[in-house]
Amino acid sequence: DQQVKQNSPSLSVQEGRISILNCDYTNSMFDYFLWYKKYPAEGPTFLISISSIKDKNEDGRFTVFLNKSAKHLSLHIVPSQPGDSAVYFCAAQATSYGKLTFGQGTILTVHP
Amino acid sequence: DTEVTQTPKHLVMGMTNKKSLKCEQHMGHRAMYWYKQKAKKPPELMFVYSYEKLSINESVPSRFSPECPNSSLLNLHLHALQPEDSALYLCASSLSGLANTEAFFGQGTRLTVV
Repeated sequence: DQQVKQNSPSLSVQEGRISILNCDYTNSMFDYFLWYKKYPAEGPTFLISISSIKDKNEDGRFTVFLNKSAKHLSLHIVPSQPGDSAVYFCAAQATSYGKLTFGQGTILTVHP
Repeated sequence: DTEVTQTPKHLVMGMTNKKSLKCEQHMGHRAMYWYKQKAKKPPELMFVYSYEKLSINESVPSRFSPECPNSSLLNLHLHALQPEDSALYLCASSLSGLANTEAFFGQGTRLTVV
């Protein structure tokens, strides 16, 4: 039973354009959501998070949108850069429980 | 210092060996975690320590034994592993063991059981 799903295994984008990575969840107890970026042979690096009381959070080139009614969140990267090429994981937490449940990941490739 | 440091980076062990993975952080975080990641899969939680006490064990086999000697250190003792235990083992820490706190990950230990 996969509670966090990233249905696109890969995404290819031109440098300078917008990258949109999507994530869906099924557990209504989740109320905090995070995006991590991972390079091969390295641990995940925290990018940005959003609480369920918000619908948008922005940090530089990264914006996360949350649609609670649809149980859907997305990460927008604008403008995309070749250095953004990595695996992006969506993760979710339930209140008072620190466990992160990860999606399967999306491989983002940004072409020069 | 915003790093979580894991040693060793790579480990090859036989099924009868005993080895330990080590993790260290100096960010004053009071929660530390072990995750396991198989190839092309997401990380999966194994254990959570909160204020140096084991708070979550995700039904991990007893051949994996965690230890938290102090608030900065986390070990994972390995004994009688199977080849299917080969994976990337990730340590993470967060300010507390509650939700709404970001976890910071180490680079991982790539474990191969032969």
